[in-house]
Amino acid sequence: KQEVTQIPAALSVPEGENLVLNCSFTDSAIYNLQWFRQDPGKGLTSLLLIQSSQREQTSGRLNASLDKSSGRSTLYIAASQPGDSATYLCAVEHPTNAGKSTFGDGTTLTVKP
Amino acid sequence: DAGVIQSPRHEVTEMGQEVTLRCKPISGHDYLFWYRQTMMRGLELLIYFNNNVPIDDSGMPEDRFSAKMPNASFSTLKIQPSEPRDSAVYFCASSGPEGGYTFGSGTRLTVV
Repeated sequence: KQEVTQIPAALSVPEGENLVLNCSFTDSAIYNLQWFRQDPGKGLTSLLLIQSSQREQTSGRLNASLDKSSGRSTLYIAASQPGDSATYLCAVEHPTNAGKSTFGDGTTLTVKP
Repeated sequence: DAGVIQSPRHEVTEMGQEVTLRCKPISGHDYLFWYRQTMMRGLELLIYFNNNVPIDDSGMPEDRFSAKMPNASFSTLKIQPSEPRDSAVYFCASSGPEGGYTFGSGTRLTVV
């Protein structure tokens, strides 16, 4: 059974700092990995989707990497801003249980002005 | 595409009443998922469909919950009778051939 862990549960950084969020999964046989952002009281917004054959994806100040062999993904946020404050979740899709993903519990990020 | 559309955005109902939540997935997506999110339990998968067929409903908490997908563009999640512990945010998401999920904005359900 796939398990997804995100540590730490909460992170506070000063504005302008570069930071890394972590996502670990127990079964390296994955179809893809997706990072989401969730603002308080809002839905989940997809940030980046990394296919199993890829090593990383970039969008603006965000860069997500994938290392299947070690069961890890990182989300790198450059030059953090207060507007980046949110909860970040990762989700791993199963290749055999097609379409179904396992979600981590998320890391709540606070960027202080 | 307008994305995944859920209605209503907010629902307040009295205990014992029937509640119906609605979802329109992205056109061309063949998977549809219903999730529930609470502070205590986080994000829980309730049920998901592939090509309108329910694949896994093991997350449906009780017989009071039911879900249907009569066609590729519409799904409902029904709670009858509703209870205060059903209060949560209910999300619908869809997924297509390219993989990855797109979530709707959610329905915030309050049962009093």
